[in-house]
Amino acid sequence: DAKTTQPNSMESNEEEPVHLPCNHSTISGTDYIHWYRQLPSQGPEYVIHGLTSNVNNRMASLAIAEDRKSSTLILHRATLRDAAVYYCTHWGGADGLTFGKGTHLIIQP
Amino acid sequence: GAGVSQSPRYKVTKRGQDVALRCDPISGHVSLYWYRQALGQGPEFLTYFNYEAQQDKSGLPNDRFSAERPEGSISTLTIQRTEQRDSAMYRCASSLARGVDRSREPPPDTQYFGPGTRLTVL
Repeated sequence: DAKTTQPNSMESNEEEPVHLPCNHSTISGTDYIHWYRQLPSQGPEYVIHGLTSNVNNRMASLAIAEDRKSSTLILHRATLRDAAVYYCTHWGGADGLTFGKGTHLIIQP
Repeated sequence: GAGVSQSPRYKVTKRGQDVALRCDPISGHVSLYWYRQALGQGPEFLTYFNYEAQQDKSGLPNDRFSAERPEGSISTLTIQRTEQRDSAMYRCASSLARGVDRSREPPPDTQYFGPGTRLTVL
């Protein structure tokens, strides 16, 4: 069963902001929202995580809806190197991460 | 420092043979995870360890799959009597700790993935 719902693909232009949405309506109160991305021919890598408040780090920002049933990963200025599959998941710390199919982000020069 | 390493990077085997896939986690990482990834799909969780103890085997597809981490460091995923449907990328990940201060950035339970082993069963 998919725990999250994301668009299959999105396209953006280089140096423009990108907003990647994710629905996680079954999230429990203690689960953190995690985003990973997978560059071509590589393993997934951590991007950002959050619980309730919006979060910023050097890679991206994470906007979390007040009801926590959705979140948006924001890349403020996309580069060609940001082309990847982006996965969102929610995790309570037990077992492994559950990845869906993710969003394939295409960046046009 | 060195990341997670996996060997072999590519393995081609004939149906019915046994294969052993190795994962060397980041030094000092407590938790180790195995995932399987089919083409065009996200990784699928198989099993994980805290130190040498296997915590959850429920993601293993069937009893032909087993994993061990005898000294709490290197882990081996073994597939017996391989079948063509076992062909996939097998990925290992490790994390420093579990269930601790997630207010840190990145949190200690962030998983760091290895390059994977591409298994092809003919």
